[in-house]
Amino acid sequence: AQSVTQLGSHVSVSEGALVLLRCNYSSSVPPYLFWYVQYPNQGLQLLLKYTSAATLVKGINDFEAEFKKSETSFHLTKPSAHMSDAAEYFCAVSVMGGTSYGKLTFGQGTILTVHP
Amino acid sequence: DADVTQTPRNRITKTGKRIMLECSQTKGHDRMYWYRQDPGLGLRLIYYSFDVKDINKGEISDGYSVSRQAQAKFSLSLESAIPNQTALYFCATSSGWAYTFGSGTRLTVV
Repeated sequence: AQSVTQLGSHVSVSEGALVLLRCNYSSSVPPYLFWYVQYPNQGLQLLLKYTSAATLVKGINDFEAEFKKSETSFHLTKPSAHMSDAAEYFCAVSVMGGTSYGKLTFGQGTILTVHP
Repeated sequence: DADVTQTPRNRITKTGKRIMLECSQTKGHDRMYWYRQDPGLGLRLIYYSFDVKDINKGEISDGYSVSRQAQAKFSLSLESAIPNQTALYFCATSSGWAYTFGSGTRLTVV
């Protein structure tokens, strides 16, 4: 079975500062990895995904994430935070083989606050 | 129309009542899922279905049941609602790595 751990339930940054949201995963088979964003009172929006191609993945709104197999990590970064980035972010893992095939497993979420 | 439609969007119900949350999709995907979201816990899988005849329990299925009426429809039932089932519920579909989520149903059990 796969699992995801997001380090830090709350992250606070200043506008213009680097955003770093941490995600570590566990999987017995090669994973597919995702970052979703949820703005207040809205549903889930896909930011980016890793599906075994390039390890550095670029997503929407200048977010990117790097798959590091040796560290079992998939941290999300953005060079310069905007006030509009304030939201909750979820890391998720899926596998395309084994008994967990197709199931998407989420981390606990990280709430990002951006200060002026 | 949305690819994945959940009804109702919001619902307040009383303890002990039976309630059904409905999900329909126009993606043509075989795989459908029900998740619940609680603060600090992320989204947790309740049930999933890989086709009309294949339904499986997720990590938190106790107190819930599902029905896959057709490829496009997957309903979640709470047979006897209790307050700790108050949550935001999401339906999703998938094909390969492509997942599509509904807008969610906010359920409050009083």
